[in-house]
Amino acid sequence: DQQVKQNSPSLSVQEGRISILNCDYTNSMFDYFLWYKKYPAEGPTFLISISSIKDKNEDGRFTVFLNKSAKHLSLHIVPSQPGDSAVYFCAAFEDYGSGNTGKLIFGQGTTLQVKP
Amino acid sequence: DAGVTQSPTHLIKTRGQQVTLRCSPISGHKSVSWYQQVLGQGPQFIFQYYEKEERGRGNFPDRFSARQFPNYSSELNVNALLLGDSALYLCASSRPDRGLTFYEQYFGPGTRLTVT
Repeated sequence: DQQVKQNSPSLSVQEGRISILNCDYTNSMFDYFLWYKKYPAEGPTFLISISSIKDKNEDGRFTVFLNKSAKHLSLHIVPSQPGDSAVYFCAAFEDYGSGNTGKLIFGQGTTLQVKP
Repeated sequence: DAGVTQSPTHLIKTRGQQVTLRCSPISGHKSVSWYQQVLGQGPQFIFQYYEKEERGRGNFPDRFSARQFPNYSSELNVNALLLGDSALYLCASSRPDRGLTFYEQYFGPGTRLTVT
């Protein structure tokens, strides 16, 4: 059973508009969430993260919103640029219970296309 | 600072062979994690090492093994390769000893393994 889900395989937006990428999770014990961007033939690039004590974190054009009661997070990109076209993954951090170590559990990804 | 480096970039092996993939973490990062990504899916966790000890293992067969060296670099070994092992293998480094961002993982470019 997939613990982190990105239900939209693709999204297309016009340059300058807002892009909203969504992610749902099932495990209420997750306390940390991350978003990554991935270009073909490259590794994922870390974008932004949020801990469960917050409901919003902002970094430049990127804002992540967390709704713990709904087990839902979203990434907003404003304004969207053609260079933002990539696959976006959300991930949840699952710790092992000691030493701040743990693994990332990823969604399936959403392909964003920003049209000029 | 240099990011996470991985070698080789690409690799072609035959079924039944063995392969070794290498990873050097970001300077100062003491933890390395390995992930497998197949086309159309998010990365799947294989191993995490921290301070040269295995801290976590994903749902992969015993044909997969890894180790971490005193300089915190790491190797992933896969024995008796199967066609299904063809994937992008990603290494990520992190700093579990680092305060509020202990959960953030930074990825290398990956090694593309093709098994024929």
